[in-house]
Amino acid sequence: GNSVTQMEGPVTLSEEAFLTINCTYTATGYPSLFWYVQYPGEGLQLLLKATKADDKGSNKGFEATYRKETTSFHLEKGSVQVSDSAVYFCAPGISGNTPLVFGKGTRLSVIA
Amino acid sequence: DAGITQSPRHKVTETGTPVTLRCHQTENHRYMYWYRQDPGHGLRLIHYSYGVKDTDKGEVSDGYSVSRSKTEDFLLTLESATSSQTSVYFCAISESGTDFEEPQHFGDGTRLSIL
Repeated sequence: GNSVTQMEGPVTLSEEAFLTINCTYTATGYPSLFWYVQYPGEGLQLLLKATKADDKGSNKGFEATYRKETTSFHLEKGSVQVSDSAVYFCAPGISGNTPLVFGKGTRLSVIA
Repeated sequence: DAGITQSPRHKVTETGTPVTLRCHQTENHRYMYWYRQDPGHGLRLIHYSYGVKDTDKGEVSDGYSVSRSKTEDFLLTLESATSSQTSVYFCAISESGTDFEEPQHFGDGTRLSIL
């Protein structure tokens, strides 16, 4: 089945620093790939997605590129803000009646 | 925002008591899911439903049961709560479980403490 390995946290960065959160996956077929974000006290929200190889998903300054050859979907942001402090989850989509498999999440803390 | 309401939002109860959590959606989505979130484990699937009266187990289903008698409601029951079931529970919905491109939408969670 599908599985996800996500960079362990916590990650602490200063404001305006560059962010990378690594995510690699194993999957049957070629699923869509998703990044979700969870702000304190809230549920997960879809941050961005990519549906096929070499697609780049982007939202709120975050980007991730679907790399089929390395089975990776690393999340990046050029300049983080305090408001980006949250937990980030990587997940591959899946077909059939089986739902998304999530990584364990990476907690990001951005300090001013 | 997807119309998902979880109730209660917080609950404290004692070991051995039954507990039912409710997830209500207004989106008419076919698929509904229950997850638990624990430190060091991320999000783990408990049960999910792919239609009225159609449910299946996830990776951590022991000690939990579910029911879905209407499209909009998905209930999670702990028949006899144990302290290991203290967690934050999230409900999610999706329009299709067969579409590679379809994401899930999450409720705000229920914080359950079992003493």
